[in-house]
Amino acid sequence: DSGVTQTPKHLITATGQRVTLRCSPRSGDLSVYWYQQSLDQGLQFLIQYYNGEERAKGNILERFSAQQFPDLHSELNLSSLELGDSALYFCASSAGDTLTYEQYFGPGTRLTVT
Amino acid sequence: KNQVEQSPQSLIILEGKNCTLQCNYTVSPFSNLRWYKQDTGRGPVSLTIMTFSENTKSNGRYTATLDADTKQSSLHITASQLSDSASYICVVLGVSNYQLIWGAGTKLIIKP
Repeated sequence: DSGVTQTPKHLITATGQRVTLRCSPRSGDLSVYWYQQSLDQGLQFLIQYYNGEERAKGNILERFSAQQFPDLHSELNLSSLELGDSALYFCASSAGDTLTYEQYFGPGTRLTVT
Repeated sequence: KNQVEQSPQSLIILEGKNCTLQCNYTVSPFSNLRWYKQDTGRGPVSLTIMTFSENTKSNGRYTATLDADTKQSSLHITASQLSDSASYICVVLGVSNYQLIWGAGTKLIIKP
């Protein structure tokens, strides 16, 4: 158990809808990262937050947005969903703000768009 | 273009045997290189992190090596167990563009 929690575990929704994925980092970690993993693909980095501020951006679509709250939990919002958004979404956390710190991954949220 | 390429794409070995997974990268300069283990449908778990100045690092039955001159890394697994069945992912942290470059992974299957 990495100490990173993600909810919900599974999510099934229809095209065009909007969903919110939630992540709580390990106790004491200030950075949160979001990743997308499509079926049999590698992880794609989406975005990083450190202590409430956006720190780095990867291949995140404009339909996706994220934020980190004062209690350090983070939410990833996915809107106008398309079939291709079906994937595993992982959250990771680390102690520091740079990518040199080890990342600890949560169990993931499996999103299915029908 | 910064890339991380892993080979083989998949590997099947018998329980108890050893194996070596390869990672070639073009990311330069880089800060560190990591190996992760990812069970199907689960989040990746860190096995080793090596800086550019380290040549080898062990974590139990897992030993990672790094040759910064040839830009190659390998992950050696000794006395494989059924629980080693997973994808093994090589990740390189680039310095110039401050990005983690993820490899596609090697899918390892251990058969009894």
